[in-house]
Amino acid sequence: KQEVTQIPAALSVPEGENLVLNCSFTDSAIYNLQWFRQDPGKGLTSLLLIQSSQREQTSGRLNASLDKSSGRSTLYIAASQPGDSATYLCAVSVNKPGGSYIPTFGRGTSLIVHP
Amino acid sequence: EAGVAQSPRYKIIEKRQSVAFWCNPISGHATLYWYQQILGQGPKLLIQFQNNGVVDDSQLPKDRFSAERLKGVDSTLKIQPAKLEDSAVYLCASSFQGVDGYTFGSGTRLTVV
Repeated sequence: KQEVTQIPAALSVPEGENLVLNCSFTDSAIYNLQWFRQDPGKGLTSLLLIQSSQREQTSGRLNASLDKSSGRSTLYIAASQPGDSATYLCAVSVNKPGGSYIPTFGRGTSLIVHP
Repeated sequence: EAGVAQSPRYKIIEKRQSVAFWCNPISGHATLYWYQQILGQGPKLLIQFQNNGVVDDSQLPKDRFSAERLKGVDSTLKIQPAKLEDSAVYLCASSFQGVDGYTFGSGTRLTVV
């Protein structure tokens, strides 16, 4: 059974800092890994999707890397802003028998960026 | 492209009452998921559909929860009777075979009092 762990659970930083959020998983036979952002009381917004054959993906100030062999992914946020304050969730998908894909989530990292 | 639609947005019910949630996935997405997210935790899968068939419902409390996907498109999730511990956000997601990741709806926040 896939287990996903996110560290740290919470983070509070001043505006402008570069941040690293960590996601680790127990089963390295993954199909893809997706990072989401969740604002309070809202649904999940996709940030970056990394396929199992890829090493990293970038979007604006966000960069996500994937190391399948070590079971790790990191989300790097450059020059953090107060608007980045949210919970960041990592979802790891495995290919189940029959061709279905099921994402398993970590508990998330709660980020606060203060001015 | 229209996103995943969910309704209602919020629901407050008393324990032992019943409640139903609705989800309309992205057009063409064969796979649909229902997740339960308790405050402070990550989403937990309740049930996965492939078209109108159930792929995984191993974590669905079947004594009180039920779900169906009519004609492989819309889906409803029902709770009957509700318990206090069912208070959570219920998220619906859809995917085109997982290749392009997963798209989530805004969720339904359920409070059981």
